[in-house]
Amino acid sequence: AQSVAQPEDQVNVAEGNPLTVKCTYSVSGNPYLFWYVQYPNRGLQFLLKYITGDNLVKGSYGFEAEFNKSQTSFHLKKPSALVSDSALYFCAVRDPNSGYALNFGKGTSLLVTP
Amino acid sequence: DSGVTQTPKHLITATGQRVTLRCSPRSGDLSVYWYQQSLDQGLQFLIQYYNGEERAKGNILERFSAQQFPDLHSELNLSSLELGDSALYFCASTAGNTGELFFGEGSRLTVL
Repeated sequence: AQSVAQPEDQVNVAEGNPLTVKCTYSVSGNPYLFWYVQYPNRGLQFLLKYITGDNLVKGSYGFEAEFNKSQTSFHLKKPSALVSDSALYFCAVRDPNSGYALNFGKGTSLLVTP
Repeated sequence: DSGVTQTPKHLITATGQRVTLRCSPRSGDLSVYWYQQSLDQGLQFLIQYYNGEERAKGNILERFSAQQFPDLHSELNLSSLELGDSALYFCASTAGNTGELFFGEGSRLTVL
């Protein structure tokens, strides 16, 4: 089955510093990878996706992600964190065996402190 | 605003009862997915419908069922509710196979 893993339950970073939220994947075939963000009591919002092409994918709110095939990773990054970036971040992989549903990681809570 | 509407936002009920959650997808989206989010299980895919027909099943219990109507709205039916069914239930829709799903705000179910 297509799956992703997020090894960190929580990431803490100071405002203005770069942030990285880690994700590794396990798939058969070419991966379709996604990042979503969830603010408290809200639904998930799409940030970015990798299907093919450049390994560096740019998304919403200044976020980007780097696809690394050799390390089977798809880490989410932002050069300068904002307090308003504090939220729950989910990595996901599309599963063609489940109607192209997304299989999500367990999520990483990002806390950006002033 | 994702364009996906879910009702009710909150629901409190008792064990053994039955509830129905409703989802209206984005205009033009034919595909609807249902997910359950809980602290212990995370985000779990339950079931997908495409243009009125069931397309894929995930970790959906036999006590749960869903359907998609001709106007493309979908309903998730949860019966014989147990305490462990307390969770946030999300609906998501998409137009095609590009991948990204658009999520509603969710329905929070509390079973007492």
